[in-house]
Amino acid sequence: SAVISQKPSRDICQRGTSLTIQCQVDSQVTMMFWYRQQPGQSLTLIATANQGSEATYESGFVIDKFPISRPNLTFSTLTVSNMSPEDSSIYLCSVEDRSTGETQYFGPGTRLLVL
Amino acid sequence: KNEVEQSPQNLTAQEGEFITINCSYSVGISALHWLQQHPGGGIVSLFMLSSGKKKHGRLIATINIQEKHSSLHITASHPRDSAVYICAVRRGYNTDKLIFGTGTRLQVFP
Repeated sequence: SAVISQKPSRDICQRGTSLTIQCQVDSQVTMMFWYRQQPGQSLTLIATANQGSEATYESGFVIDKFPISRPNLTFSTLTVSNMSPEDSSIYLCSVEDRSTGETQYFGPGTRLLVL
Repeated sequence: KNEVEQSPQNLTAQEGEFITINCSYSVGISALHWLQQHPGGGIVSLFMLSSGKKKHGRLIATINIQEKHSSLHITASHPRDSAVYICAVRRGYNTDKLIFGTGTRLQVFP
């Protein structure tokens, strides 16, 4: 199994500022996923982060708004840039462990409120 | 129309009741996941299915590939089962992306 931690767990930010969310996994994983869950909605994939290459962004998400770093196989960051109230969401990182039958593991989430 | 649909959206039950949550999808898939999200936001993977049926404790998940339908059953429900249950599918074998349903909010009352 994989244990994932995220920092911060929650934050309240002012419009126009940026927040960097950290995701740490207790084992080496090839791919890490960043999701957004807006209030009352299900999860939407923002991007897939591979170590040593540029992240792959989903339609509607761009690198300038959500830059991602993946410096090694256990760590990734997602930055929410130039925030607006519409960015208020839970942001979750996730990994997949194919050695255990493609089980998905999720971090506890970062609850972001933009004023 | 969403590619993954869940029903019902909301469900209330008395402790001890048998509960069924349904998931229908409109695309070809290689696997289907059932996830549980508690009010604090944390998500736990319950099952990954590609065929047949799986059981873990009081939870049973089934999938019918031909009918593009899966069900999650909870036997002898308990208030601690109160959570949002999310169905997610993986399209094809060469992708790591999941498509998520909108979730079913379950409340079990004592």
